Amino acid sequence: GAVVSQHPSWVICKSGTSVKIECRSLDFQATTMFWYRQFPKQSLMLMATSNEGSKATYEQGVEKDKFLINHASLTLSTLTVTSAHPEDSSFYICSARDAQTGGSTDTQYFGPGTRLTVL
Amino acid sequence: AQSVTQLGSHVSVSEGALVLLRCNYSSSVPPYLFWYVQYPNQGLQLLLKYTTGATLVKGINGFEAEFKKSETSFHLTKPSAHMSDAAEYFCAVKRGSTLGRLYFGRGTQLTVWP
Repeated sequence: GAVVSQHPSWVICKSGTSVKIECRSLDFQATTMFWYRQFPKQSLMLMATSNEGSKATYEQGVEKDKFLINHASLTLSTLTVTSAHPEDSSFYICSARDAQTGGSTDTQYFGPGTRLTVL
Repeated sequence: AQSVTQLGSHVSVSEGALVLLRCNYSSSVPPYLFWYVQYPNQGLQLLLKYTTGATLVKGINGFEAEFKKSETSFHLTKPSAHMSDAAEYFCAVKRGSTLGRLYFGRGTQLTVWP
């Protein structure tokens, strides 16, 4: 099946620093990738939709200047948490839509997630 | 607007017992429905999905779900629980015309007792 990887799987950083998380589709091309945030014991909250070669579409309430998303190729999207603070600590999950299947019956494949802890 | 309600944030069953995880949705258009499973500190794995056609959908690991339009439900079942089924389960809905955008329920934690 389709595989999506994330790197790093976990990261600890100091407050005020920036952290970049990579999301890769390993065996398929993904024109669209999604970034989610998940708090403990809660569901996934969609942060933004990333389309290859264009600007990301952010959900209401998500700061685009704080969560920078780049989707430079059909297999890679990155999320950069800028000037991270403790409240940004969370589990970040990406997913990728298989461009080959296309249409409205497409399936999202999820990465394993990145645990971010900001001290 | 789309929304998903998962009844019961926690479900506990004995090994070998029936598993039933409930999901109701609201959608203004025919929905596409999904069940995902999440193990601790991992991403989501697709269990099964309903798009069109047969309303009883079979997925991986012996799970199945039935789309009931009249009840706006998509409950997940498994005849006999296994210890390895213990995980968090998420129901999600997508509008047929919306590429990719998923709306998730709050999740149900399944515990399986020996």
